Amino acid sequence: RKEVEQDPGPFNVPEGATVAFNCTYSNSASQSFFWYRQDCRKEPKLLMSVYSSGNEDGRFTAQLNRASQYISLLIRDSKLSDSATYLCVVNTPGNTPLVFGKGTRLSVIA
Amino acid sequence: DGGITQSPKYLFRKEGQNVTLSCEQNLNHDAMYWYRQDPGQGLRLIYYSQIVNDFQKGDIAEGYSVSREKKESFPLTVTSAQKNPTAFYLCASSSVNVGNQPQHFGDGTRLSIL
Repeated sequence: RKEVEQDPGPFNVPEGATVAFNCTYSNSASQSFFWYRQDCRKEPKLLMSVYSSGNEDGRFTAQLNRASQYISLLIRDSKLSDSATYLCVVNTPGNTPLVFGKGTRLSVIA
Repeated sequence: DGGITQSPKYLFRKEGQNVTLSCEQNLNHDAMYWYRQDPGQGLRLIYYSQIVNDFQKGDIAEGYSVSREKKESFPLTVTSAQKNPTAFYLCASSSVNVGNQPQHFGDGTRLSIL
C-alpha cells in the first residue's frame, strides 16, 4: 500500500459547486497533515494544515479521520480560480521528510 | 521579504555536462530539500538536509549531489551520471522537526537537455 494515496482526477465541476477530495495514508502513527495547492507549472503552496478537530478557512474545510486513516478537503462555492492540483501531505514518524501524494486535479468550468 | 530563491529559472544542459542549481533561503529554516517533478507526476525527493554539513539521500539520489556549507544555501548538482535530467526541480525548506512542519517552496528551475 502506498504511503499516501489520492484519486488523481480530474474532477471537472461547474462554478458554484461543492467538491470534496479524500486522501488515505498508510501509517497510523502519522501526526501532521497538510493540503497544498499547485497551479500548472508552478511550485506547491501550503493551503491549510489539518487539525484533529477539523478546520475551516473561508470556503475550504479540512477534516481528519484517524480511525479510517484519511483526510479530506471540501471546497464550497467553487471558483474558476480554484482550478489546480491539490496535494495531500502527511508526516511519517521519526525525523523524516513529509510524504507528498501525487495530487488530485480540479477543473472548475464556467 | 522572507522566502526561498531558486536560480536559474530555466537551465539547459549538454550531454556529459554537470550543472548546478542554486537554492537560497532567508527564513532561518534548518531543513532544506530538493525534489524533482516530471510532467503530470508527483514530487520525488532527491536529497534533504536537516543541519549544516549534513544531508541524506532521498528516493532518487543517483546522479545528483548536494552540499550544505551554509544554513541559507543548499545547491544541487545534476551530474552527467543522471541520464534523464529533464524535469522541474523544486527546493523547499522548513523549520525544526523535519517531519512535523510544513515545507515552503521556491518557484523552481526547469532543466532541459540540449
